[in-house]
Amino acid sequence: DADVTQTPRNRITKTGKRIMLECSQTKGHDRMYWYRQDPGLGLRLIYYSFDVKDINKGEISDGYSVSRQAQAKFSLSLESAIPNQTALYFCATSQPGTDTDTQYFGPGTRLTVL
Amino acid sequence: QQQVKQSPQSLIVQKGGISIINCAYENTAFDYFPWYQQFPGKGPALLIAIRPDVSEKKEGRFTISFNKSAKQFSLHIMDSQPGDSATYFCAAGRTGGGNKLTFGTGTQLKVEL
Repeated sequence: DADVTQTPRNRITKTGKRIMLECSQTKGHDRMYWYRQDPGLGLRLIYYSFDVKDINKGEISDGYSVSRQAQAKFSLSLESAIPNQTALYFCATSQPGTDTDTQYFGPGTRLTVL
Repeated sequence: QQQVKQSPQSLIVQKGGISIINCAYENTAFDYFPWYQQFPGKGPALLIAIRPDVSEKKEGRFTISFNKSAKQFSLHIMDSQPGDSATYFCAAGRTGGGNKLTFGTGTQLKVEL
């Protein structure tokens, strides 16, 4: 079984709809991250969480919100989706002290906003 | 604000050749430089990483070269194979920075037979 899972894997929605992307991990890691990937722009950090009570904005947080429901779960919400939020979204985890800086990525969610 | 610049955007190499991807960074506080490899339909996965106390790190056919004074680092893939065809991302991070990484824009590598 995959250590980092994301649901759904693909989603098509319409402008103005609220969307939630979910991430779960079985690695026991404290730190979780949400990125978006766009062609030619690489991976950009949306939000990150060091533990359940610690959530921080990344470089492109506008239009997004997150919830850390438990150590193993980190959800990304688009309150009112717009077409330029069409992208590939990745969740990642890491743990300080072991493989210190390695981030482990989920398989991604492809989101299309029409 | 592009803190990590990566080139080329795409690269085609013949089987057995050397693939070279370059990255440059601006923030001198960065002290951790990983490369991630991403296959279609998959998330990125750590390939190899270096810290600035060494100028080169080799793992099998993959080598990172690091030039601290020039603020540049590169990935060399020796004896490139079709199975190496993937997208490669360089990244930079800072110890104590909470494992946050700043990624380059990616290089799509295709190794042809």
